[in-house]
Amino acid sequence: DTGVSQNPRHKITKRGQNVTFRCDPISEHNRLYWYRQTLGQGPEFLTYFQNEAQLEKSRLLSDRFSAERPKGSFSTLEIQRTEQGDSAMYLCASSSPQVFGEGSWLTVV
Amino acid sequence: AQSVTQLDSHVSVSEGTPVLLRCNYSSSYSPSLFWYVQHPNKGLQLLLKYTSAATLVKGINGFEAEFKKSETSFHLTKPSAHMSDAAEYFCVVSTREGGSYIPTFGRGTSLIVHP
Repeated sequence: DTGVSQNPRHKITKRGQNVTFRCDPISEHNRLYWYRQTLGQGPEFLTYFQNEAQLEKSRLLSDRFSAERPKGSFSTLEIQRTEQGDSAMYLCASSSPQVFGEGSWLTVV
Repeated sequence: AQSVTQLDSHVSVSEGTPVLLRCNYSSSYSPSLFWYVQHPNKGLQLLLKYTSAATLVKGINGFEAEFKKSETSFHLTKPSAHMSDAAEYFCVVSTREGGSYIPTFGRGTSLIVHP
């Protein structure tokens, strides 16, 4: 499979727990993006990497959100101390051009 | 700063009739513009993109869009709708801000296709 892969596809967690999502991009793509999408809205940009360098992180929603791409290949998005408002779909895309994964659904109960 | 407005939250057409999904953008610099489609439980798929070449851009599945700088618009069209076109469509603007290209998505237009 040569697409963008995201895991897990669905995550239900209790409020206050930490969660981590993984994104495996298309191997020859050096840019990797993270977005959040809530129902009825378009994807909201969070952060992006050029290889292992995080070039933009000012749009991360709070200091509970962090992302890494340690070797310039896969990336992880971690949300600490989850809140119910974090419930959404988290999308990853690699480029160019941007190819999206199918997303990871987070439900915080 | 940049923004994008999709003028219709829902568009309903009959199969075989033309499709028009409207998008207006605001950007301080020369933008790149994109249209994506999202089918239920599927990832976003790029339909077409404009990056300062030809103003009429042809995409996949018979879709095309025209960049009109004077109107700050990038409307998506298709001559004849097919049932399989029913999906959510997103217009996206991306410009260079402080050295980074940050995409901004519209809220989406839901295309409904009637038999």
